[in-house]
Amino acid sequence: GAGVSQTPSNKVTEKGKYVELRCDPISGHTALYWYRQSLGQGPEFLIYFQGTGAADDSGLPNDRFFAVRPEGSVSTLKIQRTERGDSAVYLCASSFTGGGSDTQYFGPGTRLTVL
Amino acid sequence: GIQVEQSPPDLILQEGANSTLRCNFSDSVNNLQWFHQNPWGQLINLFYIPSGTKQNGRLSATTVATERYSLLYISSSQTTDSGVYFCAGHTGRRALTFGSGTRLQVQP
Repeated sequence: GAGVSQTPSNKVTEKGKYVELRCDPISGHTALYWYRQSLGQGPEFLIYFQGTGAADDSGLPNDRFFAVRPEGSVSTLKIQRTERGDSAVYLCASSFTGGGSDTQYFGPGTRLTVL
Repeated sequence: GIQVEQSPPDLILQEGANSTLRCNFSDSVNNLQWFHQNPWGQLINLFYIPSGTKQNGRLSATTVATERYSLLYISSSQTTDSGVYFCAGHTGRRALTFGSGTRLQVQP
């Protein structure tokens, strides 16, 4: 079946602009996660959804970052007033939490560059 | 949160060689996954292995949960094995904590 998809694959924006990044999880997966990966480092957790609600948003760096998952499937990560330090690859993952394994499957990422 | 340490940070092998990558956790984990990040940045699932041993072709992994470490074995390495290998785990919060990775280069 289809894996996790993310759009756009690349996004270049100017400092101060607003951006939206989209994630389409694997069909049937109830949990959705956003991570951020800076060059040379491992991914860092941002936010986790179980269904439509944000179950854990402790990784969001500040209030410029916000994410939604209104129908329990597709999710959008929104960044206001972008800063150069927001440049990174934003990764989305999904998992099925109903069974014994909650293996997280990752999408290809969106590379965000803030000029 | 938990701390994840991976070793070695960098590894250069000749094609055909074997290697062992290690991952140490500061606390017991409910979920432990190994990933390979290819040169295009895609994170590819290798193993979900909170405990025990699994094998998949030339790769195998062992997690000793009571001692909070996991090992990834690569046998008969190929140039396509090059990339960064990450381990990651969580203690029940579901947010994975990743190590810094092992950068593997397999030379022909």
